[in-house]
Amino acid sequence: GNSVTQMEGPVTLSEEAFLTINCTYTATGYPSLFWYVQYPGEGLQLLLKATKADDKGSNKGFEATYRKETTSFHLEKGSVQVSDSAVYFCALRGYAGGTSYGKLTFGQGTILTVHP
Amino acid sequence: DAGITQSPRHKVTETGTPVTLRCHQTENHRYMYWYRQDPGHGLRLIHYSYGVKDTDKGEVSDGYSVSRSKTEDFLLTLESATSSQTSVYFCAISGNTQAYEQYFGPGTRLTVT
Repeated sequence: GNSVTQMEGPVTLSEEAFLTINCTYTATGYPSLFWYVQYPGEGLQLLLKATKADDKGSNKGFEATYRKETTSFHLEKGSVQVSDSAVYFCALRGYAGGTSYGKLTFGQGTILTVHP
Repeated sequence: DAGITQSPRHKVTETGTPVTLRCHQTENHRYMYWYRQDPGHGLRLIHYSYGVKDTDKGEVSDGYSVSRSKTEDFLLTLESATSSQTSVYFCAISGNTQAYEQYFGPGTRLTVT
């Protein structure tokens, strides 16, 4: 079956530091990949997505590239801010032939804390 | 933001009582999902719907049932609540886009005592 593995947290950084959160996946076919962010007390928000190999998703300074050869979708940001403190989830939507109901498989989540 | 609301937002109930959580959307999206979020487990799919009256089980469906009589509403029922069902429950929706990206509601925090 499909699975997503994220680097374990928590991750603690100083403001303006470079961020990488690793995500690798296992899936058959051609999955779509997503990063979601969850701020305290809120639901998940879609941060970025990629639907095919070598696609780069980007939003709010965050980027992730769909690497089929390494089955990875690592999240990066060049300069984090205190406001980026949140939980980040990597997710996968598997593709099963001509039928898909959009079911997602999530990683465990990585807590990011950014200090001033 | 996608128009998704969940009610109630917080609920405390006793073991053995039935509980119904409601998800309401204003986006006219076909697909709706219920997840639970627990520390150390991320999000796990309980049930999902691919149309009115069309539902199916997710990975943790035991003890839960769902109904969808209208496009905009998806109900999750705990038939007889147990302490193991204490969790935060999220509803999500998706439409017929290439990626089927999902949009989440604000969540319901349920405590079973």
